[in-house]
Amino acid sequence: AQTVTQSQPEMSVQEAETVTLSCTYDTSENNYYLFWYKQPPSRQMILVIRQEAYKQQNATENRFSVNFQKAAKSFSLKISDSQLGDTAMYFCAFSPMNYGGSQGNLIFGKGTKLSVKP
Amino acid sequence: NAGVTQTPKFQVLKTGQSMTLQCAQDMNHEYMSWYRQDPGMGLRLIHYSVGAGITDQGEVPNGYNVSRSTTEDFPLRLLSAAPSQTSVYFCASSRGRGAHLTSTDTQYFGPGTRLTVL
Repeated sequence: AQTVTQSQPEMSVQEAETVTLSCTYDTSENNYYLFWYKQPPSRQMILVIRQEAYKQQNATENRFSVNFQKAAKSFSLKISDSQLGDTAMYFCAFSPMNYGGSQGNLIFGKGTKLSVKP
Repeated sequence: NAGVTQTPKFQVLKTGQSMTLQCAQDMNHEYMSWYRQDPGMGLRLIHYSVGAGITDQGEVPNGYNVSRSTTEDFPLRLLSAAPSQTSVYFCASSRGRGAHLTSTDTQYFGPGTRLTVL
């Protein structure tokens, strides 16, 4: 069974600084997707960034980037130039890319609560 | 497009009552799913559907029923509500079983329904 672990329940960072959120996962699949979702107090789930396991290049989206280490099964999120609006719960998620029934299903970690302080 | 809509936003039930959480999407997505979010647990998959007339169980299906008579709608039914079903429920959709093969596709989440069972 696949599992996703986020070992940091809470983190804080000063505005304009950089913070890294950790995520590790366990799977026997070779092809899969990894995601970071942001959930602000409004509860809306917002996709931050995604990574295909077959791509060696780390994904980036503006101030957000990942460090994907496939052999170590690690998928950390780096937020640069942190802004007050980045305050939210962040979830790491895994999805298998097989052709069976489970394709598309997301497996979530328990989340990291990030607070950006002025 | 309205995206993924969920009704109601809030609901309070008494133990033993039944109700249906509504979910609709207007993006012609084949894949739809229901998750529940509990404190400290992240999101867990309840049921999912890969197309009209096809549903399957996720990680925590007990106490819930689903059906998919149209592409647009995917209601979640609580047959006999229990306090353990107090949670926030999210509906999500994405394009087709091959959704994750497209670099720009992702799962779209609804705004959530907060359910309290007394």
